[in-house]
Amino acid sequence: QVQLQESGPGLVKPSETLSLTCTVSGYSISSGYYWGWIRQPPGKGLEWIGSIYHSGINYYNPSLKSRVTISVDTAKNQFALNLSSVTAADTAVYYCVRDATKAYYRVDPWGQGTLVTVSS
Amino acid sequence: DIQLTQSPSFLSASVGDRVTITCRASQGISTYLAWYQQKPGKAPKLLIYTAYTLQNGVPSRFSGSGSGTEFTLTISSLQPEDFATYYCQQLNNYPLTFGGGTKVEIK
Repeated sequence: QVQLQESGPGLVKPSETLSLTCTVSGYSISSGYYWGWIRQPPGKGLEWIGSIYHSGINYYNPSLKSRVTISVDTAKNQFALNLSSVTAADTAVYYCVRDATKAYYRVDPWGQGTLVTVSS
Repeated sequence: DIQLTQSPSFLSASVGDRVTITCRASQGISTYLAWYQQKPGKAPKLLIYTAYTLQNGVPSRFSGSGSGTEFTLTISSLQPEDFATYYCQQLNNYPLTFGGGTKVEIK
């Protein structure tokens, strides 16, 4: 059973970089699929941030592309999100996901999510 | 980017009611649409993918239909555990996008 778990700081100061890690268990990232990040501001809808393949091929949301980097560490079976120059608008619950769009046209499973607040 | 418009954004219904939620895409996406259920404080849960394929373990009272630009999620007989917010998502191409959500509340 594939499980994903987000980790990282829950509080980030404005203008700094938000960094989160997703640890995958029950499946080797190197075996396939894309791996991605989705966020949800409090009380609002879902926004896809980006996805990465184990080879490093990635797709980013154009609205965030200038500030986003997603990387993968196959040795640790983890992938990471860096979002630079954050503002209060980046306050959200961040979910890591297995992105099976290209294989099965679905995103599943999801991590439990982690709330990141941007505040000084 | 492909825009998805869900309607209604809010729905009040009773246990046992038949409920239908609509999702319209700004351009044709074949059947590359998924539906998710989200309860407060929880991650979204995949219900249906490729417009009508039920995810393993999802009750058969949930069904999906549609292709092209218009899709529906139907709950044939609403149960207490179905009160939640539902989102559609297009997977036709990147960037992946979601509808604005439909909150289903108890009447």
